[in-house]
Amino acid sequence: AQTVTQSQPEMSVQEAETVTLSCTYDTSESDYYLFWYKQPPSRQMILVIRQEAYKQQNATENRFSVNFQKAAKSFSLKISDSQLGDAAMYFCAYRTTNSGNTPLVFGKGTRLSVIA
Amino acid sequence: NAGVTQTPKFRILKIGQSMTLQCTQDMNHNYMYWYRQDPGMGLKLIYYSVGAGITDKGEVPNGYNVSRSTTEDFPLRLELAAPSQTSVYFCASSYSGTPSNYGYTFGSGTRLTVV
Repeated sequence: AQTVTQSQPEMSVQEAETVTLSCTYDTSESDYYLFWYKQPPSRQMILVIRQEAYKQQNATENRFSVNFQKAAKSFSLKISDSQLGDAAMYFCAYRTTNSGNTPLVFGKGTRLSVIA
Repeated sequence: NAGVTQTPKFRILKIGQSMTLQCTQDMNHNYMYWYRQDPGMGLKLIYYSVGAGITDKGEVPNGYNVSRSTTEDFPLRLELAAPSQTSVYFCASSYSGTPSNYGYTFGSGTRLTVV
């Protein structure tokens, strides 16, 4: 079974600085998708960024970018110019494509604090 | 376009009581899911459905039941509530066509406490 590991339960960053959240995953599949979700105190789950495994180019969405290392099975999230509104739980998630639309597998999350 | 609507947002149950968590989506998504979120444990899949009349167990199905009589609705039933079912419950749906790389649309969650 696929597993997703987030080794940093908590992280903190100064406002305007850059922070990287780590995620590794275990799979024998060759084609899959990876996601980062943000969960602010409101509890709402918000999709931050997605990456297709067959694409070598790292995905970016404004201040959010990923470092996707397929061979190392690593998918880290970089947040640039951190803002107070970035404070939240961040979840890494994986989905294979080889068996149809299979459910997402989530990591345990990283709680990010932003210090003013 | 409301997305995924979950009710109630909060509920306190006594041990042994039963209840149904409601979930409705208006995006014509075929796929729907129920997850529970416990502190420090991430989200764990309870049940999912790939279409009306089809449901499958996830990682933690014990103590729960689901049904999918329509595309829009995917209720989660708790029978004989136990303290271990104290959690935040999320319903989600996803697009079933191509590409399938879109993530989920989540409901706002239900915080359930069993006392």
